[in-house]
Amino acid sequence: SAVISQKPSRDICQRGTSLTIQCQVDSQVTMMFWYRQQPGQSLTLIATANQGSEATYESGFVIDKFPISRPNLTFSTLTVSNMSPEDSSIYLCSVNIVKGRTEAFFGQGTRLTVV
Amino acid sequence: GIQVEQSPPDLILQEGANSTLRCNFSDSVNNLQWFHQNPWGQLINLFYIPSGTKQNGRLSATTVATERYSLLYISSSQTTDSGVYFCAVERNTGANNLFFGTGTRLTVIP
Repeated sequence: SAVISQKPSRDICQRGTSLTIQCQVDSQVTMMFWYRQQPGQSLTLIATANQGSEATYESGFVIDKFPISRPNLTFSTLTVSNMSPEDSSIYLCSVNIVKGRTEAFFGQGTRLTVV
Repeated sequence: GIQVEQSPPDLILQEGANSTLRCNFSDSVNNLQWFHQNPWGQLINLFYIPSGTKQNGRLSATTVATERYSLLYISSSQTTDSGVYFCAVERNTGANNLFFGTGTRLTVIP
């Protein structure tokens, strides 16, 4: 398995501000994934973060709104920029651990409320 | 893209009852996982099960990949089983990310 530390665990932010979420993994991983879970909904992939290259964003998500950094193989950040109440969600980072099989593990999530 | 549908969407059980949750997916997959999301939002890995049957205590899961469905069985349910159960699949495209199902919200009442 993997130990994935995500912080902050929750925050309440004013609209128009930005929040940076950090994700730290206890082992080196090639790809890190950022997901969003809107209230009462399932999880949707925002982007895939590879070390040493630009993140790959899914349809409906753009770098200006969700800039991602991946400075090394154990760490990534996701910034939610210029927030509005519609950004209120749980944001989760995830990694795949490959040990004969590829299994996904998740951080504890960041519960964001924008007021 | 791939469609991942779960049923039922909501389920209320008396403590001690058994239940079966279903996950249907629309395309062949490399990987299928079941998760339990607790009330604090954390996703707990339950099973990695692209095919076959596995058991872990009161929980078991079966995936029939050729028929594109998976089942999660919960026996002798407890109030701590409450939460949302998701299945998630990885497509055969090399993208490595998961596509999540619609979820089943389980409430176990004493």
